[in-house]
Amino acid sequence: ELKVEQNPLFLSMQEGKNYTIYCNYSTTSDRLYWYRQDPGKSLESLFVLLSNGAVKQEGRLMASLDTKARLSTLHITAAVHDLSATYFCAAVYNQGGKLIFGQGTELSVKP
Amino acid sequence: DAGVTQSPTHLIKTRGQQVTLRCSPKSGHDTVSWYQQALGQGPQFIFQYYEEEERQRGNFPDRFSGHQFPNYSSELNVNALLLGDSALYLCASSSRSAGRETQYFGPGTRLLVL
Repeated sequence: ELKVEQNPLFLSMQEGKNYTIYCNYSTTSDRLYWYRQDPGKSLESLFVLLSNGAVKQEGRLMASLDTKARLSTLHITAAVHDLSATYFCAAVYNQGGKLIFGQGTELSVKP
Repeated sequence: DAGVTQSPTHLIKTRGQQVTLRCSPKSGHDTVSWYQQALGQGPQFIFQYYEEEERQRGNFPDRFSGHQFPNYSSELNVNALLLGDSALYLCASSSRSAGRETQYFGPGTRLLVL
């Protein structure tokens, strides 16, 4: 059974600092997703990582995938307040597209 | 191009009642998946519909049922509501021909069971 674990679950950062969120999954997965969720809102797609070694960047966020280690990371560079949100990673259970989500990382960026 | 839409946005029901939630997928998408997100948790997969049939199902009781229409829109029905069914219900649409690579989520329906 595929399980997805994120750490940390809570992260309080100062503006301008760097940090990394880790996402481990328990069995083979075709791809890995990162989503952002603002309070009371739906999920916004950030990245889809399709293969080992994949790296994608958008603004201050960079995601990578190591399928051998079953690990994905979301790196935040020079955090700003606007990045405050909850970040979820999700792995695909099978080719049918069933997503298994991690618990989420609640990020708070303070001035 | 309209994205994924869901209705209603909010709903209040009492225990034992039945509820129907609706989802229209993004244009060009043929697959709809439903997720339940309890407060403070990650979304959990309920089921997926493609070609008007349930293709995959998560660990949810039979009280949760669904339907997909020829225009690819979908409904989620929950019978005999329990307090624990209070959650944000999200639908996600994707395209089988694109390998269901990208899943777009709708705004969600927030259900409160009293």
